[in-house]
Amino acid sequence: DTEVTQTPKHLVMGMTNKKSLKCEQHMGHRAMYWYKQKAKKPPELMFVYSYEKLSINESVPSRFSPECPNSSLLNLHLHALQPEDSALYLCASSQGKMEGRRYGYTFGSGTRLTVV
Amino acid sequence: QQPVQSPQAVILREGEDAVINCSSSKALYSVHWYRQKHGEAPVFLMILLKGGEQKGHEKISASFNEKKQQSSLYLTASQLSYSGTYFCGTLKTDSWGKLQFGAGTQVVVTP
Repeated sequence: DTEVTQTPKHLVMGMTNKKSLKCEQHMGHRAMYWYKQKAKKPPELMFVYSYEKLSINESVPSRFSPECPNSSLLNLHLHALQPEDSALYLCASSQGKMEGRRYGYTFGSGTRLTVV
Repeated sequence: QQPVQSPQAVILREGEDAVINCSSSKALYSVHWYRQKHGEAPVFLMILLKGGEQKGHEKISASFNEKKQQSSLYLTASQLSYSGTYFCGTLKTDSWGKLQFGAGTQVVVTP
């Protein structure tokens, strides 16, 4: 299995809602990443997990809360989002945070989030 | 710090060649290249490592000039399937896990 699976594919939520995005991989990768991508822009790094521990938080607002329950699963919990948070949220994985420097990342197809 | 990518867009006829450039002001450990088609995930194409090692796609070539901290991706004898947005991503020698992407190059290959 060489895929990163993200669910749901589309999500519409109100500013007072709480929702979660899910990401799963079964490649034995030990580093997982959340990226945010706005239309016609490059992906922007949000969080890095290495061996299930949060390694990098790129000063992301606390209304985004990541969680890594196990080595195959990565969640992004959303609460009290703003309309400007509407974007494509991409999950990626690599063999390790170190190995990712040498072997590349595998991206999921993303969750398209709309905040109304 | 985001790498600088050029050109912003290129239109090719099938069979033509193109070069996409990526440069950084910081010392790099590796340069990644990805292609993203509309509504899809970025797909890994190639990685170039400090020291000259390369890993990636058979039909796409790239180079990495360590002295200039510049990489170029060569699209040779382009096919319709080459259309998409190409991103370079860089990892600095002093950073672990912070893959930063350039602004992207939109490539359109026409029949």
